[in-house]
Amino acid sequence: DQQVKQNSPSLSVQEGRISILNCDYTNSMFDYFLWYKKYPAEGPTFLISISSIKDKNEDGRFTVFLNKSAKHLSLHIVPSQPGDSAVYFCAASGVSGTYKYIFGTGTRLKVLA
Amino acid sequence: NAGVTQTPKFQVLKTGQSMTLQCAQDMNHNSMYWYRQDPGMGLRLIYYSASEGTTDKGEVPNGYNVSRLNKREFSLRLESAAPSQTSVYFCASSQPGPRPYEQYFGPGTRLTVT
Repeated sequence: DQQVKQNSPSLSVQEGRISILNCDYTNSMFDYFLWYKKYPAEGPTFLISISSIKDKNEDGRFTVFLNKSAKHLSLHIVPSQPGDSAVYFCAASGVSGTYKYIFGTGTRLKVLA
Repeated sequence: NAGVTQTPKFQVLKTGQSMTLQCAQDMNHNSMYWYRQDPGMGLRLIYYSASEGTTDKGEVPNGYNVSRLNKREFSLRLESAAPSQTSVYFCASSQPGPRPYEQYFGPGTRLTVT
């Protein structure tokens, strides 16, 4: 049973436009959510996170929104740049003391120049 | 700082062979993790070590063993490799701080079992 789902395997966006990547979760015990970015042949790198006590967190061009009632989070990238082309994973954590994550399956973003 | 390093980068094994994947971090982190990444499956936790001297199973531990050699090093062993263990393996580490749940990943080991 997939507790963290990214239902869009891929997304293409024009350079300069907004990219919106979505993530749904089923476990209401999750209290911390993260987005990771992964380039080919590299390990994932941390992008942005949000605690369940917030509904929005912003870092430069990246904003994460959390809708707890819908168990949904989204990552907005504005404006999108060709260097943003990568696979994006959302992850959720809620097991106290262990920092264990459950990852989604990833969305491949392609930003077209 | 090198961050998280993994060796080897690539490996091909025959079914039944054994090998150990090595991981080291130089960030003085307490917690370390082993994940595997398969197409359409995302990253799945194999084993983790919350602190030196402790290890626990993750989602997919069958067929693997781990050793937390010291605070820096966390190895993953395949005793008898199977084709189903063909995957990309990532090691990660973390430490509570301003972003308490952030994990830092190594570059990965691509393993093929024939």
